[in-house]
Amino acid sequence: EVQLVESGGGLVQPGRSLRLSCAASGFTFDDYAMHWVRQAPGKGLEWVSGISWNSGTIGYADSVKGRFTISRDNAKNSLYLQMNSLRPEDTALYYCARDMGSSPTHDAFDIWGQGTMVTVSS
Amino acid sequence: EIVLTQSPGTLSLSPGERATLSCRASQSVSSNYLAWYQQKPGQAPRLLIYAASIRATGIPDRFSGSGSGTDFTLTISRLEPEDFAVYYCQQYGSSLHTFGGGTKVEIK
Repeated sequence: EVQLVESGGGLVQPGRSLRLSCAASGFTFDDYAMHWVRQAPGKGLEWVSGISWNSGTIGYADSVKGRFTISRDNAKNSLYLQMNSLRPEDTALYYCARDMGSSPTHDAFDIWGQGTMVTVSS
Repeated sequence: EIVLTQSPGTLSLSPGERATLSCRASQSVSSNYLAWYQQKPGQAPRLLIYAASIRATGIPDRFSGSGSGTDFTLTISRLEPEDFAVYYCQQYGSSLHTFGGGTKVEIK
């Protein structure tokens, strides 16, 4: 079964850091680009970051650029999101999503995890 | 950044009726790189349509997508009870993916 399972969310104070993980199974992980998408409580979807199959192409939303870092470990079938200098407006459910292609542009997202909740509050 | 505006915000319809959802882009979407997703409460989004008009695997043919350039439409020909949900459009033609604000299809 093709599956993505996120972990690492929790309650964190403003200004602190958190690292999210996404474990992939049921498909050849290094054939695909991957993304992080977030959804604030009661709000819509916001693309956060994407990474190509070989980490050669990476993109970030302006709202997180310079604070968040996406990475992947193909040997471990895992995707990561290092989140630094967290702000209350980063509070959201963070989804890991598989791109239909190997580059993080020009394809839609066909597989999604169930998400991990990040709450930034003092 | 390409801004996507979805309308209406809420669509109140009865089962069996036709639903027409609109997604308008602030500038032309490259190569019709536009997708539609369905999201039900407490669930992750599900891909319905990509490349503006291609149904994803396992999606019933009552869902169809059309449009090009800046104007795109998702049509549900006859609403089934399981179709009442929130629908999002997404453009992936630029290096910065963006989503629309969503259209909620609710039971009238």
